[in-house]
Amino acid sequence: DTAVSQTPKYLVTQMGNDKSIKCEQNLGHDTMYWYKQDSKKFLKIMFSYNNKELIINETVPNRFSPKSPDKAHLNLHINSLELGDSAVYFCASSQAGQGGVYGYTFGSGTRLTVV
Amino acid sequence: DQQVKQNSPSLSVQEGRISILNCDYTNSMFDYFLWYKKYPAEGPTFLISISSIKDKNEDGRFTVFLNKSAKHLSLHIVPSQPGDSAVYFCAASEGGATNKLIFGTGTLLAVQP
Repeated sequence: DTAVSQTPKYLVTQMGNDKSIKCEQNLGHDTMYWYKQDSKKFLKIMFSYNNKELIINETVPNRFSPKSPDKAHLNLHINSLELGDSAVYFCASSQAGQGGVYGYTFGSGTRLTVV
Repeated sequence: DQQVKQNSPSLSVQEGRISILNCDYTNSMFDYFLWYKKYPAEGPTFLISISSIKDKNEDGRFTVFLNKSAKHLSLHIVPSQPGDSAVYFCAASEGGATNKLIFGTGTLLAVQP
């Protein structure tokens, strides 16, 4: 029974398209995150939601828009995809205020390739 | 500016020996430090953490040491096993409401049988 699940696992699309990645967690956590792992394997935070409220919004192009319909779901929509958006995107969750102690639980990632 | 650095991209160790993975940080406001392990095509999995008020935390074969004055932490794995072969990420957080984790670039550990 997967704790944090992301779909799709692989996504290949052309430049200029719009795509979404979905994330769901069944751990009862309050906080969810999106991280991007680029070609240099650097994991960088993009967004975080706590109980459907945006609490972290790093310097990310406006083409990226997160949406949290409820605290168990955090989706990532990307408009007008560019070659540089190719990366692995990880969703994660944690209990509010406890991410530093118990860490986040990550999904298995979505490998996005823009051609 | 990278606040968390892992200067060794890779490390090779013989099975049964000790693996020592190192991490340096620049932000003195970090309150928690964590280690994650990552296999290919999987998400990172949490291994062990340490709060800034401690200098050592142990969990089975894994021990994390924190040297605040040097802004340095290390993960010791004893004894190392082939199944430990993975990428290890160091991460740090200032705590608080957001609990944002800042990750290092990872060290690929290869444990040779």
